[in-house]
Amino acid sequence: DTEVTQTPKHLVMGMTNKKSLKCEQHMGHRAMYWYKQKAKKPPELMFVYSYEKLSINESVPSRFSPECPNSSLLNLHLHALQPEDSALYLCASSLRQGWSYEQYFGPGTRLTVT
Amino acid sequence: QKEVEQNSGPLSVPEGAIASLNCTYSDRVSQSFFWYRQYSGKSPELIMSIYSNGDKEDGRFTAQLNKASQYVSLLIRDSQPSDSATYLCAVAGNYGGSQGNLIFGKGTKLSVKP
Repeated sequence: DTEVTQTPKHLVMGMTNKKSLKCEQHMGHRAMYWYKQKAKKPPELMFVYSYEKLSINESVPSRFSPECPNSSLLNLHLHALQPEDSALYLCASSLRQGWSYEQYFGPGTRLTVT
Repeated sequence: QKEVEQNSGPLSVPEGAIASLNCTYSDRVSQSFFWYRQYSGKSPELIMSIYSNGDKEDGRFTAQLNKASQYVSLLIRDSQPSDSATYLCAVAGNYGGSQGNLIFGKGTKLSVKP
């Protein structure tokens, strides 16, 4: 089973709202990732967690705040977003962080900022 | 700067033909190579991973890797209309502090005509 789940599927929020995206996996993976994908572009890495610790932050604005409360869960807290932040937000996981490990993506959350 | 190049397409093939998707990468220390399939509006789905020079077959899919030429390809035999999607090539390596980060190409859009 290589299932990563994400909620919600769709989210519309105003620029003053606070919302959270949730990602969950039960494959025993210890690396989890947040990506952002704009239309007709490849995914862009935002954050990497390894063993529940933030490993990589790809210079993401502070209005995006990740959290990894346990080995199965990954959250992305959103606050004061801009319309240009509208995108598909993808969560992925891999057994460990490293070049030899396959990453499996969840279905994504389609975010629209109005 | 690490780069992964793919023809954007669209690549159009008739049903039953072989579709050939190509990818080149710039960084010689790249060590693992992945092909993802992404249907419109959906998340990337891992099809194949390859780590060593040569061919790797899985059903109708064959991945080919030539590290000397910095080239990786994906062949899809007996193409079906359901194979119509964007195919993303991704590369990873021991890139110092970015170990395990996937570097994506822009994707090739494949259209299989009935």
